[in-house]
Amino acid sequence: QVQLVQSGAEVKKPGASMKVSCKASGYSFTNYYIHWVRQAPGQGLEWMGWIKPNSGDTNYAQKFQGWVTMTRDTSITTAYMEVSSLRSDDTAVYYCARVRTYTGAFDIWGQGTLVTVSS
Amino acid sequence: QSALTQPPSVSGSPGQSVTISCTGTSSDIGNYDRVSWYQQPPGTAPKLMIYEVTNRPSGVPDRFSGSKSDNTASLTISGLQAEDEADYYCSSYTSNRTRVFGGGTKLTVL
Repeated sequence: QVQLVQSGAEVKKPGASMKVSCKASGYSFTNYYIHWVRQAPGQGLEWMGWIKPNSGDTNYAQKFQGWVTMTRDTSITTAYMEVSSLRSDDTAVYYCARVRTYTGAFDIWGQGTLVTVSS
Repeated sequence: QSALTQPPSVSGSPGQSVTISCTGTSSDIGNYDRVSWYQQPPGTAPKLMIYEVTNRPSGVPDRFSGSKSDNTASLTISGLQAEDEADYYCSSYTSNRTRVFGGGTKLTVL
């Protein structure tokens, strides 16, 4: 079936970097955008940006430009999101989500990856 | 891009109807029919319930419906069931080529 499976939970120290993976299966990976959304504990959803797997083109929310990098490896149908210079307020569940068209809805979501930033 | 505005909470009894509003601006909801709604029970990933303002994905009950007027979109759940209790989020495409979410609404089934 169509699914996005993310990497496991991580604990990082402030100032470190983290990289979350999102493995796609059950559909044509290059025909859908992959978006990343995060959710701090007890808070709402926050859109971070997208990557277009067939070209590698990216678009980041202004807040995340310069310290978030989205990449992909089409040979293993996997998208990645790397966040550098982590701070405690980056503690959140990070989700990847699939989108069919440029303006479309997030129709399939990964299970989420909890990243805890703590000294 | 400011978040879309949703009421923090709504409630209703089983069988009743509830409506959740989502207010944006002419830069998002008001200018694009690209509003979607997501259901998120505690501890789970969001699930798409409505896309392009009014459309339901396959498998979503027809008790869920969406609408839009000017800068405000709405999600209506009729015939409330206990299993509908969850957080609900709206989202819109924006003129900056980005996406924005609402702050979320907690639905309690009494």
